[in-house]
Amino acid sequence: GEDVEQSLFLSVREGDSSVINCTYTDSSSTYLYWYKQEPGAGLQLLTYIFSNMDMKQDQRLTVLLNKKDKHLSLRIADTQTGDSAIYFCAESPSDYKLSFGAGTTVTVRA
Amino acid sequence: DADVTQTPRNRITKTGKRIMLECSQTKGHDRMYWYRQDPGLGLRLIYYSFDVKDINKGEISDGYSVSRQAQAKFSLSLESAIPNQTALYFCATGDRGTNYGYTFGSGTRLTVV
Repeated sequence: GEDVEQSLFLSVREGDSSVINCTYTDSSSTYLYWYKQEPGAGLQLLTYIFSNMDMKQDQRLTVLLNKKDKHLSLRIADTQTGDSAIYFCAESPSDYKLSFGAGTTVTVRA
Repeated sequence: DADVTQTPRNRITKTGKRIMLECSQTKGHDRMYWYRQDPGLGLRLIYYSFDVKDINKGEISDGYSVSRQAQAKFSLSLESAIPNQTALYFCATGDRGTNYGYTFGSGTRLTVV
């Protein structure tokens, strides 16, 4: 996933907000995605945002999209221990393929 | 039952051996994918298929082959396994006409010794 970049690690205190950042390269991506991978499990689609939107909110999750800067972020409010996981950002440079970032490992500490 | 099932979940094999990883889905999706995951590298696409008669190479297809036996089945083979193919392998499905992301299997952890 060299076309999609994200930091590798994030440590956050329980109850605080987490912000995971991602930059992508393909401005033609129609959708951008956030996936969550819990230990020993596959990737689970967490949320996605259509490219003509700036923001999408879903309960504790807020996705912000800055198309000009090709920057995507995921904010998790009131982070819980169950939010500890690897979070992957992905873009869709074509209608048949997703390109993933390397994943951000989020560790929630008490 | 899981929507996308991968077998085996774990496998240790010796260098030079042929090994097949299997994937089956109940989603009714026409598109199927094989990815490998390596720490710090994320997911890289090995092969993908749009239907039984359509197979396409991804970015890292060397050393791998695939077979789409039916709409619901897509297997990945390592003809002669080598240690740098040690990784976590994921099968995924997608639905033509939508781009709401993929459904992933739970993965196969392969170790080549």
